Amino acid sequence: RKEVEQDPGPFNVPEGATVAFNCTYSNSASQSFFWYRQDCRKEPKLLMSVYSSGNEDGRFTAQLNRASQYISLLIRDSKLSDSATYLCVVYFYNQGGKLIFGQGTELSVKP
Amino acid sequence: ETGVTQTPRHLVMGMTNKKSLKCEQHLGHNAMYWYKQSAKKPLELMFVYSLEERVENNSVPSRFSPECPNSSHLFLHLHTLQPEDSALYLCASSQDRQSNTGELFFGEGSRLTVL
Repeated sequence: RKEVEQDPGPFNVPEGATVAFNCTYSNSASQSFFWYRQDCRKEPKLLMSVYSSGNEDGRFTAQLNRASQYISLLIRDSKLSDSATYLCVVYFYNQGGKLIFGQGTELSVKP
Repeated sequence: ETGVTQTPRHLVMGMTNKKSLKCEQHLGHNAMYWYKQSAKKPLELMFVYSLEERVENNSVPSRFSPECPNSSHLFLHLHTLQPEDSALYLCASSQDRQSNTGELFFGEGSRLTVL
């Protein structure tokens, strides 16, 4: 089983749509969780951290479910500029402090 | 403009060549990393340097040889590579190595093609 697993997509949605991505992780001792964004042929950049109580940043909402070992990212009112690959990242403290990346979920927002 | 710069951006090399990738960070960070990104695969951590000392080597073949002469610079020396080594090589830095803040600052990557 992969340590961090995501649906690779692609997700093709129209502008204005709401889209959700899920990510599962295998190690229940995982401590911290993040979403990164990677535009085509560019480097990954931190989008947002994921807090236990859930958190929101504008149109983006991140949720964590420790019991089921998954995190989610919800994007409301999708924009063309949201087209990118979204990477789920988990910090494993018991592996010497290591960030493990999922393979990413590709999102394409169409006019 | 990114605080982490990588050169070259693109590199094509034969299996018998020797080349090097260079990374420079202007952020005053203490930790630097090399990652490999292949199509449809997760980023793979290759090497970690903390305060110029290599602290992690994730079973990377010896044909990849890292060098960290100071806290701002990181190199990846390449020799006798295989076609399956073709990938995007990303350099990253963070304030400190064992940080659960999760924030890595990546360079734009060096896209390597091995013929």
